[in-house]
Amino acid sequence: SQTIHQWPATLVQPVGSPLSLECTVEGTSNPNLYWYRQAAGRGLQLLFYSVGIGQISSEVPQNLSASRPQDRQFILSSKKLLLSDSGFYLCAWSVQVNTEAFFGQGTRLTVV
Amino acid sequence: AQTVTQSQPEMSVQEAETVTLSCTYDTSESDYYLFWYKQPPSRQMILVIRQEAYKQQNATENRFSVNFQKAAKSFSLKISDSQLGDAAMYFCAYFPPGANSKLTFGKGITLSVRP
Repeated sequence: SQTIHQWPATLVQPVGSPLSLECTVEGTSNPNLYWYRQAAGRGLQLLFYSVGIGQISSEVPQNLSASRPQDRQFILSSKKLLLSDSGFYLCAWSVQVNTEAFFGQGTRLTVV
Repeated sequence: AQTVTQSQPEMSVQEAETVTLSCTYDTSESDYYLFWYKQPPSRQMILVIRQEAYKQQNATENRFSVNFQKAAKSFSLKISDSQLGDAAMYFCAYFPPGANSKLTFGKGITLSVRP
């Protein structure tokens, strides 16, 4: 069966520090991968998605970047965090486009 | 641009009763996918049900069913025999066709279940 791992679960970082959130998928090949951000009590905003290694589409211009160094690995990064980067970050995968997405357990990021 | 609207921010239902959560969307596509996701307090996103636009039959998963009205671009979720464990935030989502399409979510609705 397929599983998705996302870590860390909780992170507190000072303003101006770097960020690296990692997500890996097991049990499938060539998944579509997604990073979403959820502000408190709000919906999900798509940040990045990838349909293959090295292929990254950015949805929102911001302080973040994403990379896909391996088929089932998706990394969300920042060189310098801002207070506004605080939120709940969710990684997700799907078998192909137009099918349901399955989510990791999320990372609660607090920038102080 | 496609949008998904969940106009009710909060709803409440008595345990064992039925509740309907509303969702409308805007699209010019004829074929697409619609989903309802549940986010309990743990914040894990869980797929509840999916509907393919080319299928006229409404999807059903145990106590969960949808009322899909394609012409009206409406996709409501009905929860029958509500249970305490149904208390969560529910998100409606839309997925258009195409290799570069993206899954778009509504703002969600918080459902509380009264014992």
